[in-house]
Amino acid sequence: DAGVTQSPTHLIKTRGQQVTLRCSPISGHKSVSWYQQVLGQGPQFIFQYYEKEERGRGNFPDRFSARQFPNYSSELNVNALLLGDSALYLCASSLGTALSGEQYFGPGTRLTVT
Amino acid sequence: AQSVTQPDIHITVSEGASLELRCNYSYGATPYLFWYVQSPGQGLQLLLKYFSGDTLVQGIKGFEAEFKRSQSSFNLRKPSVHWSDAAEYFCAVAPFSNDYKLSFGAGTTVTVRA
Repeated sequence: DAGVTQSPTHLIKTRGQQVTLRCSPISGHKSVSWYQQVLGQGPQFIFQYYEKEERGRGNFPDRFSARQFPNYSSELNVNALLLGDSALYLCASSLGTALSGEQYFGPGTRLTVT
Repeated sequence: AQSVTQPDIHITVSEGASLELRCNYSYGATPYLFWYVQSPGQGLQLLLKYFSGDTLVQGIKGFEAEFKRSQSSFNLRKPSVHWSDAAEYFCAVAPFSNDYKLSFGAGTTVTVRA
């Protein structure tokens, strides 16, 4: 079975631009979470979506937004990019909202803002 | 404030030697506890998790972890490391009331020498 897939793998953007990152969960998984991992730090929770509704949001500015589609894939959008947004963006999928299952992580999208 | 602390930024061990990675958490109540491993260029892989019950948890790849409530710790151990264990290891917690949001420590990088 295919794991969590993310696209693109790498991305270079300029300050002030907008970016969209994409995630496809494991087949049958209805929940998608997004994390930001800055170099040298652990991942930080950005969003979780379940059944196309936002279930949780981390401490990130409104420049960050996300959505989930009927096929449970998800997009993360970041507007007005700042240098500090440079990071590895990880997507994780799970069966449902409870962590009694587990979250399966994708390989991430490496975003560089210049 | 709620937090997850991994006191060791970098650990070097010889192949065949034992390994212990420390994790301490600060939460109002015992959260769900996890250990993840991240190899270069790859996403996070779950090694093991603790929700309740037996405080000694067995995971994949020969890893185990022990939950100690009195010390608010969840240390990861492996009796004999292999060169392939070289990676970054993250301790993560999810508050019982918000089980969808993983909070990660800063990580411990493990180097294995021949």
